[in-house]
Amino acid sequence: TQLLEQSPQFLSIQEGENLTVYCNSSSVFSSLQWYRQEPGEGPVLLVTVVTGGEVKKLKRLTFQFGDARKDSSLHITAAQPGDTGLYLCAENNAGNMLTFGGGTRLMVKP
Amino acid sequence: KAGVTQTPRYLIKTRGQQVTLSCSPISGHRSVSWYQQTPGQGLQFLFEYFSETQRNKGNFPGRFSGRQFSNSRSEMNVSTLELGDSALYLCASSLELQLYNEQFFGPGTRLTVL
Repeated sequence: TQLLEQSPQFLSIQEGENLTVYCNSSSVFSSLQWYRQEPGEGPVLLVTVVTGGEVKKLKRLTFQFGDARKDSSLHITAAQPGDTGLYLCAENNAGNMLTFGGGTRLMVKP
Repeated sequence: KAGVTQTPRYLIKTRGQQVTLSCSPISGHRSVSWYQQTPGQGLQFLFEYFSETQRNKGNFPGRFSGRQFSNSRSEMNVSTLELGDSALYLCASSLELQLYNEQFFGPGTRLTVL
C-alpha cells in the first residue's frame, strides 16, 4: 500500500503570508488530488494532477506535480482567513478508492 | 442539485451495540464510497459500492459492512462497537468508475462510542 506523507502537519500564519505544503510518496502516483476540508464538512476537491511536472493554478493556489510523479506541493499566495482548513492530498486508485495523506492543518490569523 | 446527504449527523452509542449509518448520493451518481476519519489514523477507505456491488474493501474487520440499494443509496453497519470506532464516517459519491473521477463528500456522521 502506498504511503502518502504530508508536511508540515500544522501551520499557523498571519493573513497575507505565503505558504507551501508538501505531499510525498514512497512510489509513483498514478494521479494525485488535493482536497480541503473545513470543520463540520467533508473534503472538497481542489485539483487533480496527472502529468509529471504539471502546474495548475486556482486563484491564489498553485499546485505542482513532481517530474517523477512521487511528490506534489500546494503553494498559497497571500493567505486569507478563509483559507483555514485541513488540506489533504490523495491518490485515486482504481475503483474510486482514495488513499489520503495525514493532512496539513492550516490556520490563517487575521 | 442537492449534495451528498448523510444521516444521522451525530450519534452516541455504547460498547457492544451496533449502528447503521445512511448515505444518499447525488442524483445520478452510482458509485458510493465510505471512509473513516480519526485524529490518529486520518482518513481511511472502508469500502466502495457500484450498482449494488461491493467493488473494493479497505483493511477493516468484518464488523464493518455495507450495502447499496437499487436507487444508489447506501448504508454501512458496524456491529459490536468498540471505543476505537469513535470517528467521523464520511460518504462520497461519484458518477462513474473512472480513474480520475471526482468524488463528492457528504458532511459525515460523527459517531461517539462510550
